[in-house]
Amino acid sequence: QSALTQPASVSGSPGQSITISCTGTSSDVGTYNLVSWYQQYSGKAPKLIIYEDNKRPSGVSSRFSGSKSGNTASLTISGLQAEDEADYYCYSYAGRRTWVFGGGTKLTVL
Amino acid sequence: QVQLLQSGAEVKKPGASVKLSCKTSGYIFTSYYLTWVRQAAGRGLEWMGVIHPNTGDTTYAQRFQGRVTMTRDTASSTVYMELSNLGSDDTAVYFCAKDKGSGTFSLDSWGQGTLVTVSS
Repeated sequence: QSALTQPASVSGSPGQSITISCTGTSSDVGTYNLVSWYQQYSGKAPKLIIYEDNKRPSGVSSRFSGSKSGNTASLTISGLQAEDEADYYCYSYAGRRTWVFGGGTKLTVL
Repeated sequence: QVQLLQSGAEVKKPGASVKLSCKTSGYIFTSYYLTWVRQAAGRGLEWMGVIHPNTGDTTYAQRFQGRVTMTRDTASSTVYMELSNLGSDDTAVYFCAKDKGSGTFSLDSWGQGTLVTVSS
């Protein structure tokens, strides 16, 4: 159950788009369409922003989108806003009723 | 509305055990997996394990096998997570989180977190 691999940090200017990658294996990300993404502000509980690779929960901005290719899932945030500055985590089902998180990515809005 | 209310902060000595609670409301308790996640200061989220409140079936992350026990009380819609033989590296915020359901295997509601401090 090794953690999924995410970049430690990404940054972008307001209005730009950024993409955060999440690399797993053929045992988790590559097999199941069950990657979800979470936004976490410092000291707060995480919030679900993408599930089943590319679906948005009700109330989540359409600026957030998810995709996947092979063993790598991606989260794209378009039209970057100051309020998007947070930590982002991917999470994947890994079979046999086990799950695994990514290491997390700190997004800085310049 | 869905709510997950966790028990208060704990301070424990090395080698001790801690039992945390997560009281749920606003949905059918027995219909959704409950997951426990922890986060050490400045670190990432770590999946600890899951319980299905209907059956009590559990699955634990390998690194916690033998040290963690998750249980539930259907009468009070509460899940519990007990971690034994605590070490300083167990100092973390522990979250419970509800599965979104419908086979999405995502976590759509979270408790506020419980800080566990392990210190001699």
